[in-house]
Amino acid sequence: GAVVSQHPSRVICKSGTSVKIECRSLDFQATTMFWYRQFPKKSLMLMATSNEGSKATYEQGVEKDKFLINHASLTLSTLTVTSAHPEDSSFYICSARVRVAGSYNEQFFGPGTRLTVL
Amino acid sequence: AQSVTQLDSQVPVFEEAPVELRCNYSSSVSVYLFWYVQYPNQGLQLLLKYLSGSTLVKGINGFEAEFNKSQTSFHLRKPSVHISDTAEYFCAVSLGITGGGNKLTFGTGTQLKVEL
Repeated sequence: GAVVSQHPSRVICKSGTSVKIECRSLDFQATTMFWYRQFPKKSLMLMATSNEGSKATYEQGVEKDKFLINHASLTLSTLTVTSAHPEDSSFYICSARVRVAGSYNEQFFGPGTRLTVL
Repeated sequence: AQSVTQLDSQVPVFEEAPVELRCNYSSSVSVYLFWYVQYPNQGLQLLLKYLSGSTLVKGINGFEAEFNKSQTSFHLRKPSVHISDTAEYFCAVSLGITGGGNKLTFGTGTQLKVEL
């Protein structure tokens, strides 16, 4: 149980185009999903937290107009990189959890999406 | 705010030897602590976690970690490593149940390379 998938696993796009990455919880309903970015040989940096049915909360320094996050259902969140540029090339990882008040809620991670912008 | 320090960026070790990956954290409030493993081009897999209770935590694949509050450490250990343990290991912290929404803060990772 607790499987999170991401699609696509790899994507190459031209500079200036937009790319959508999907994150799905396959066997549970995720009230909250997180989006991380990982640079080569670096740690994971939290980009934003999205709660189903509400606007995402972005971390300081993350451009919300560039990285559009939608969490329209309890099993799907999407990250759209708008007007992508080579510096947006990175490994994007999502995680999902069920939020239960008063207890620890484990995050389950997706396999990641490798974005390359030419 | 909490932070995590993994001082060793790379740890080479021979197969069947023991290994310790170091992790220190900083926080003014109680925290939860985690170790994750990442294989190349894959997401993260939880190895073990400390939430409360016994300070010695056992995880998957023969790994264990010990929470030391006085030294603010959560070092990961395995008595005998295997080639398949070669991967990147991340220590992470989140605020305890009283706050933070369970957001994770990661260390910079330690590359464990197991050699024959």
